[in-house]
Amino acid sequence: ILNVEQSPQSLHVQEGDSTNFTCSFPSSNFYALHWYRWETAKSPEALFVMTLNGDEKKKGRISATLNTKEGYSYLYIKGSQPEDSATYLCASPPPSNDYKLSFGAGTTVTVRA
Amino acid sequence: GAGVSQSPSNKVTEKGKDVELRCDPISGHTALYWYRQSLGQGLEFLIYFQGNSAPDKSGLPSDRFSAERTGGSVSTLTIQRTQQEDSAVYLCASSPFRPSTGELFFGEGSRLTVL
Repeated sequence: ILNVEQSPQSLHVQEGDSTNFTCSFPSSNFYALHWYRWETAKSPEALFVMTLNGDEKKKGRISATLNTKEGYSYLYIKGSQPEDSATYLCASPPPSNDYKLSFGAGTTVTVRA
Repeated sequence: GAGVSQSPSNKVTEKGKDVELRCDPISGHTALYWYRQSLGQGLEFLIYFQGNSAPDKSGLPSDRFSAERTGGSVSTLTIQRTQQEDSAVYLCASSPFRPSTGELFFGEGSRLTVL
């Protein structure tokens, strides 16, 4: 099981502001990095699966970057809206068991109107 | 199409009782996972099924936990003699690919409260 860490644990953002937060993972033997959004009373929903160093992915106002050499990924939310309020989870599998995702504890984002 | 379906959505039980949680994955998905999230913790891997291969049960926290997957589809997670520390949200996920290349599709979870 990998040690995947996320920071900060929570953050509050004013509607319209942009924000970002971090996922850290072991850089050795990297395989893949997943981002999920988990809204209250709903199922976690995949945002991105990233595999290549330097990868940048975008989905609407949300984007992510990946640095496998230093072991981190950033998730950015541009122009936050109340519907962006959720817990954002990142996860990575060890190469030895590439199905066994290790999840971080999540960053809970609250967007204030 | 239908997503991953879990039941019950909420279960309150008394310490010492047995509980069964059910997961109906997306049709055609060969991989099925159980995770749980205890209060303040990240998602914890419990068990992985892939097709007809032997499941990876390495995440099951004790021998009170067991899971089966019948006919390569529906899965049941059984917790015997429940304890208060078993209280958590139990999430099921399925995927057509391995997580090294594709995403997991999650259900809404079963919230278990052990009194």
